[in-house]
Amino acid sequence: EVQLVESGGGLVQPGRSLKLSCLASGFTFSNYGMNWIRQAPGKGLEWVASISSSSSYIYYADTVKGRFTISRDNAKNTLYLQMTSLRSEDTALYYCAKRSRDSYALYWYFDFWGPGTMVTVSS
Amino acid sequence: DIVLTQSPTTMAASPGEKVTLTCRASSSVSYMNWYQQKPGASPKLWIYGTSKLASGVPNRFSGSGSGTSYSLIISSMETEDIATYYCQQCCSTPNTFGAGTKLELK
Repeated sequence: EVQLVESGGGLVQPGRSLKLSCLASGFTFSNYGMNWIRQAPGKGLEWVASISSSSSYIYYADTVKGRFTISRDNAKNTLYLQMTSLRSEDTALYYCAKRSRDSYALYWYFDFWGPGTMVTVSS
Repeated sequence: DIVLTQSPTTMAASPGEKVTLTCRASSSVSYMNWYQQKPGASPKLWIYGTSKLASGVPNRFSGSGSGTSYSLIISSMETEDIATYYCQQCCSTPNTFGAGTKLELK
């Protein structure tokens, strides 16, 4: 059974840093791209960052570029999100999501999501 | 960036009613994915590759579309379908989502 469990969220002051983790199990972690997706309270879904299986390809949303860093440790089956210079608008539930592709690599989709970890940026 | 516009924002349907949710893209996309989210829960993959049902999704659901217009269709609304549905374009970065359609029971 695929499981993704995020941790590391909490209350942090504006301008400070926080590091999120996502522990994966139930699948071969090193074979799949992974993503962070967030949801502000009462709002919709916003993709934050993605990382390929071997960390060769990394992408960020413009809203976090230069402030957030996605990384992974395939030996530990763990995905990370280092967040710096946090702003009030970063307040959200942060989900880690496994990405799968179809057999012909024509499209991808997020087939498993964790329960999320809440980040609140406030003084 | 590809902007996805979902309509309606909210809709109410009666049990047994046919429901159509729409997602329009600002430029052509090859495929569309849909996610179901119930209050207090994580999103679940619901439809992928435009028309493929995720594991466990009832066959009263279907997906269709091409280019800039995609739909999620429920042939006969059931109480358990109450949720918010998000579309997501599959194939270019950033991986944009629509703002969601909240489906309620009439």
